[in-house]
Amino acid sequence: SQTIHQWPATLVQPVGSPLSLECTVEGTSNPNLYWYRQAAGRGLQLLFYSVGIGQISSEVPQNLSASRPQDRQFILSSKKLLLSDSGFYLCAWSVVGTQYFGPGTRLTVL
Amino acid sequence: GDSVTQMEGPVTLSEEAFLTINCTYTATGYPSLFWYVQYPGEGLQLLLKATKADDKGSNKGFEATYRKETTSFHLEKGSVQVSDSAVYFCALSDQDTGRRALTFGSGTRLQVQP
Repeated sequence: SQTIHQWPATLVQPVGSPLSLECTVEGTSNPNLYWYRQAAGRGLQLLFYSVGIGQISSEVPQNLSASRPQDRQFILSSKKLLLSDSGFYLCAWSVVGTQYFGPGTRLTVL
Repeated sequence: GDSVTQMEGPVTLSEEAFLTINCTYTATGYPSLFWYVQYPGEGLQLLLKATKADDKGSNKGFEATYRKETTSFHLEKGSVQVSDSAVYFCALSDQDTGRRALTFGSGTRLQVQP
């Protein structure tokens, strides 16, 4: 069966520091991968998606970037965090349309 | 563009009460429709889905029917339990077969009291 992992689970970072969040999927090949952000009490905003290794599409202009160095690995990064980057970051995968989500990373920028 | 509108929460019910969470959508074409549930501090779990008009998705006592004529996908459960307390998200699929992203509603928080 397929599983999706995200780490770290929680992160507290100062403004201006770098960020790296990792997501890995097991049990499937060539999935679409997605990064969403959920602000407190809000819905989900799609940040990036990837249809294959090295293929990244950005949905909104922002302070973040994404990379897909391997088929089942998706990384969310920032060179300098802003206060507005705080939120709950969710990774998801899909193969035939239904998306399955990871446990999320709660990021607090102070 | 595509959009999903959910009823505002929180919805507060007593145990064994009937639940309805309204969801309507705007989309071109014929998207698939989903309900996801999020328990505190966790990611989203797929609750049910429907891929075409008049389909009924069901799981764990929850049901939703894809109504094309009213562009709706309301979530129902006949008898809620305290353990159903969570945030529920309605979503529709992207028509772009490459992107296949989801558009989510803002979520509805359900609180079930014993």
